[in-house]
Amino acid sequence: DVKVTQSSRYLVKRTGEKVFLECVQDMDHENMFWYRQDPGLGLRLIYFSYDVKMKEKGDIPEGYSVSREKKERFSLILESASTNQTSMYLCASSRSSGNTIYFGEGSWLTVV
Amino acid sequence: AQSVTQLDSQVPVFEEAPVELRCNYSSSVSVYLFWYVQYPNQGLQLLLKYLSGSTLVESINGFEAEFNKSQTSFHLRKPSVHISDTAEYFCAVSVINTDKLIFGTGTRLQVFP
Repeated sequence: DVKVTQSSRYLVKRTGEKVFLECVQDMDHENMFWYRQDPGLGLRLIYFSYDVKMKEKGDIPEGYSVSREKKERFSLILESASTNQTSMYLCASSRSSGNTIYFGEGSWLTVV
Repeated sequence: AQSVTQLDSQVPVFEEAPVELRCNYSSSVSVYLFWYVQYPNQGLQLLLKYLSGSTLVESINGFEAEFNKSQTSFHLRKPSVHISDTAEYFCAVSVINTDKLIFGTGTRLQVFP
């Protein structure tokens, strides 16, 4: 089975802190994604990466950055967390266009 | 640009009743279509997808969806729901030969005994 693992299920951080959300996939997938999920808004794409060291902005990249130094790992970084970044963050991966996108279980981030 | 509309934010039904979750999309180019399901406190799982061929696609747990190009719809149906189908369902599209999924806002299906 494909496994997408998000290292932290629940985090509480203070405003202004730097936050790292880590994601690892074990199926040698080219593509990796970070989404945030908010009630009534569905999932919105923050960033995605189609290869090591490659990244593209999604629909809501402001306040976030990403890092993909190895194929299996895709990190989401909040340089200075703010309360409006309190959300559920979902990492996903896929082999290529049209293939199934597999999701991790999500990371609940609360910024106080 | 592509967009996905799920008109119903919540759909309450009784067990064993039929259900339809509506999904409409907008795109000027050909797309792939997906339904994902999210059970409480879990990530999303693929329910079914349409890439090409037969416009009616089925999942292993009794759901089906029909791609209607003229109406730009991909509604999800099940003839008889179970309590265990209670979850949030997301419709999504991606442009062919791209890797970016665009999601709808989700429909919460609540099945009552």
